[in-house]
Amino acid sequence: GAVVSQHPSWVICKSGTSVKIECRSLDFQATTMFWYRQFPKQSLMLMATSNEGSKATYEQGVEKDKFLINHASLTLSTLTVTSAHPEDSSFYICSARAGDRRNEKLFFGSGTQLSVL
Amino acid sequence: AQSVSQHNHHVILSEAASLELGCNYSYGGTVNLFWYVQYPGQHLQLLLKYFSGDPLVKGIKGFEAEFIKSKFSFNLRKPSVQWSDTAEYFCAVTPGNSGNTPLVFGKGTRLSVIA
Repeated sequence: GAVVSQHPSWVICKSGTSVKIECRSLDFQATTMFWYRQFPKQSLMLMATSNEGSKATYEQGVEKDKFLINHASLTLSTLTVTSAHPEDSSFYICSARAGDRRNEKLFFGSGTQLSVL
Repeated sequence: AQSVSQHNHHVILSEAASLELGCNYSYGGTVNLFWYVQYPGQHLQLLLKYFSGDPLVKGIKGFEAEFIKSKFSFNLRKPSVQWSDTAEYFCAVTPGNSGNTPLVFGKGTRLSVIA
């Protein structure tokens, strides 16, 4: 079955630094990828929708200058947390959509735990 | 490692039929359980969640799920489906006694409701 690889799975960084998280679809082309943030013991919050070759669509309240999303190819989307602060510590999960509108399927990455010191 | 199994890959129902989608998980401790829905062309939406308390959880749009600890199950139900329920449904689990692990998703069950 289709696989989505998310890397790194865990990252610790100092406050003020930037962190890049990669989401790759390994055996399919994903024209759309979603980035979610998971807060402890809570459900997912959609941050943005990433479409290949165009600007990401951010949800209300998500700072697009802080959470930079690039979807440069059909198999790779990246989320860069710029000037990270401790409040950005969280799990970030990506998902990739395969297929067309009639037969689409969503696949999930395994998540990235970001800890900002 | 935790895993979540959704045994039904594709379910086809007529309108007004009753729905039950299976979800089993492998984690032996306390868990938080979720059901998400993805309508065609859209992102995930939360249907319902269980953290503790009454094991029968009511969600949006008439959905409910029952947590049966002895069976490691959290099946989703709806007494009468509508065409608009056509979507992909995902079960997800995370340990309940820690905030330090990501959600683990099942592979999803596609529901097709026909008139």
